[in-house]
Order: sequence, then structure tokens, then C-alpha cells
Amino acid sequence: QVQLQESGPGLVKPSQTLSVTCTVSGGSIRNGYNYYYWIRQPAGKGLEWVGRLYVSGTTDYNPSLKSRVTISADMSKDQFSLRLTSVTAADTAMYYCARGPPTDYYGIDVWGQGTTVTVSS
Amino acid sequence: SYELTQPPSVSVSPGQTANIPCSGDKLGDKYVCWYQQKPGQSPVLVMYQDRKRPSGIPERFSGSNSGNTATLTISGTQAMDEADYYCQAWDSSNGVFGTGTKVTVL
Repeated sequence: QVQLQESGPGLVKPSQTLSVTCTVSGGSIRNGYNYYYWIRQPAGKGLEWVGRLYVSGTTDYNPSLKSRVTISADMSKDQFSLRLTSVTAADTAMYYCARGPPTDYYGIDVWGQGTTVTVSS
Repeated sequence: SYELTQPPSVSVSPGQTANIPCSGDKLGDKYVCWYQQKPGQSPVLVMYQDRKRPSGIPERFSGSNSGNTATLTISGTQAMDEADYYCQAWDSSNGVFGTGTKVTVL
């Protein structure tokens, strides 16, 4: 049973860079053909798709965040990470990592518990 | 950018049918997924490829998609189905979530 666990700083200052990591257990990133996602949710609001990484290294990003977002993986550690630059209070949210099959319409079927990131001075 | 619109709330009596619409331009030309999120929990996939249920999702959940509207239907709604529901579709390689609907079982 694949499990995902996010880890992050909790608090980031405005204009700085947010970095959160997702550790995959119960299945290796490099041995599967899956997409790995980051999705965020401000408190009391809806879900926002941030981006995804394919095992080949290909990435897709939300156009509204594309200039600030990088998703990468460390295959040796079975981890993938989100980096978001020049953060503002609007980036305060619960950040979820997730996994889905290599075909989009099969959906996102494994989610982490989420990690809360607050942007504040 | 592509947008998916859902009503903020839907109310349903126990045992009745809840219909949750999701609207988007030519949405019927795309595949839609649905996610259920209960308070304090991560989302759970309840429908994919418009009308297919993942393993473990009860048969009372069904889906359809045509024209500009996709619909998640909960038949014989139970108290445990009270949650937020989000539709999701792909616009090129950009994943788009709907605005979300809170289903209240009265």
C-alpha cells in the first residue's frame, strides 16, 4: 500500500522560497509509471492544482503559478519536492502531495495527509 | 484559463438522491473525476473517467457527463456522505478543480 507523507517548514516569510517534500513509502518512484502531484488548499477554500511530475522528469504546472514553481524528485530517496519562490500571504495553504496513474482520466488516487504552510513575517 | 463551476451547496434528506453539477465549456468533450473531502481529511477519489467508481466506493455513487455539465449523483444518500465534493478535468496538461460543493444531509 503506497503512502505519501509531506514535510515542510510550517512558516515562511514573504518574498522567500517555500519548499515542501513528499516521501513515498510502500512503492518506489523510479519503479512505477505514475504522476506525482502537488495540490494546495487555503483554509476554508477549494482545491488548487499546483503541478505534477512524471517519472521521466517531465513536469506540468498551473499556468497561474508557472513562473514561480518547480517540482523535482530525488529518486534515490523516493521523495519529490515543491519549490515556490517569491511567496506572499496568498500562498498560505495546506499543501498535499498525491499520486496518480499515467493516464489523466484515471484520477488522483493516493493522497498524503497534507502539510500546512503559513506565509507571514 | 479553463474554469469549472459548482453550486456552493446542495442539501438532501437521508435516503434521497443528491445531484451535484459541474459546469465548464464543452466539458462533455473531456473526462471528469470527482473527489470527496470530509472535514479535516484529505480528498478521496470517488469517480473517474466520468462514470467509473474506484474500488471501495459504494454503488450509490454514479456519474455522467454531457454537453457543458458533468453530474455526480448520490442515490440513497447517507449521513456519511456529508462532505465537500470537487470535480476535476484536464485542460491540455493543466489540471483544473471545480469550485466545490458542500453536500449537507438534513
